[in-house]
Amino acid sequence: AQSVTQLDSQVPVFEEAPVELRCNYSSSVSVYLFWYVQYPNQGLQLLLKYLSGSTLVKGINGFEAEFNKSQTSFHLRKPSVHISDTAEYFCAVSDPWWGGNKLTFGTGTQLKVEL
Amino acid sequence: GAVVSQHPSRVICKSGTSVKIECRSLDFQATTMFWYRQFPKQSLMLMATSNEGSKATYEQGVEKDKFLINHASLTLSTLTVTSAHPEDSSFYICSASLSGVSYNEQFFGPGTRLTVL
Repeated sequence: AQSVTQLDSQVPVFEEAPVELRCNYSSSVSVYLFWYVQYPNQGLQLLLKYLSGSTLVKGINGFEAEFNKSQTSFHLRKPSVHISDTAEYFCAVSDPWWGGNKLTFGTGTQLKVEL
Repeated sequence: GAVVSQHPSRVICKSGTSVKIECRSLDFQATTMFWYRQFPKQSLMLMATSNEGSKATYEQGVEKDKFLINHASLTLSTLTVTSAHPEDSSFYICSASLSGVSYNEQFFGPGTRLTVL
C-alpha cells in the first residue's frame, strides 16, 4: 500500500521569502507524484506532477519540486512567495499501473503568507 | 482546459432526507469519475470510482447502499447520500479522468459542502 506524509500541517512565511513544503511517500513500486493546491471552499488544482524523466519538475505559479528516489521525497519549493499563494497544499502519489488514477493524498500543509 | 462542475455548491438538509450531488465534465468525455470526501482540516479520502455504464467500485469502509453513485453518461456522474445524518456532513469533491497516452489526469470539481441538521 502507498502512503504520503506531509509532516508540516502549517507553514507561516513572510511575503517574498522562499518556502519549502515537505512530502515523503512510501511505496514498494515506482510512483507518479503530484502536488495540488486548494483554495478555500474550492476543489483541487494541479500544481505539478512527476511521471518520469528529469527529477526537477516545474509547475504553475513559480512552484517546482524535486523527486528524490533515495529519500522517497517530493518536496515543493518556491523562491519567493506571494500573498496569493496562501492556500492548502496536498501531495499525492499514484501507482503508474493505474495510470494516474487512485490517488493517495497526504494530510495537507496550510501555507500562510504574511506581509 | 478541462473543466469539471459540481451542483449544488452548498446544501443543507434535515436528518433522514436524501441529497443528490451532480458532477459534470463540461468540455471533455470522462470514462472514469471519482468521488472524494474531505473532513475539515483533513485530506481527501477516495470513496468510489465510477465508470460510465457500470457499477461503481467502492473503497473499503464506504457503504454503497448509503452513497449511491450513478454514471449514466460520459459527462455526468451523481452521488446520492441516502438517509443523511449529521455525521455525513462533509465536503464532497468529484474528479473526472481524461485519458492520455501513459497518464490519466484527474480534473477536480469545486466541491459540494453538505450540512445535515
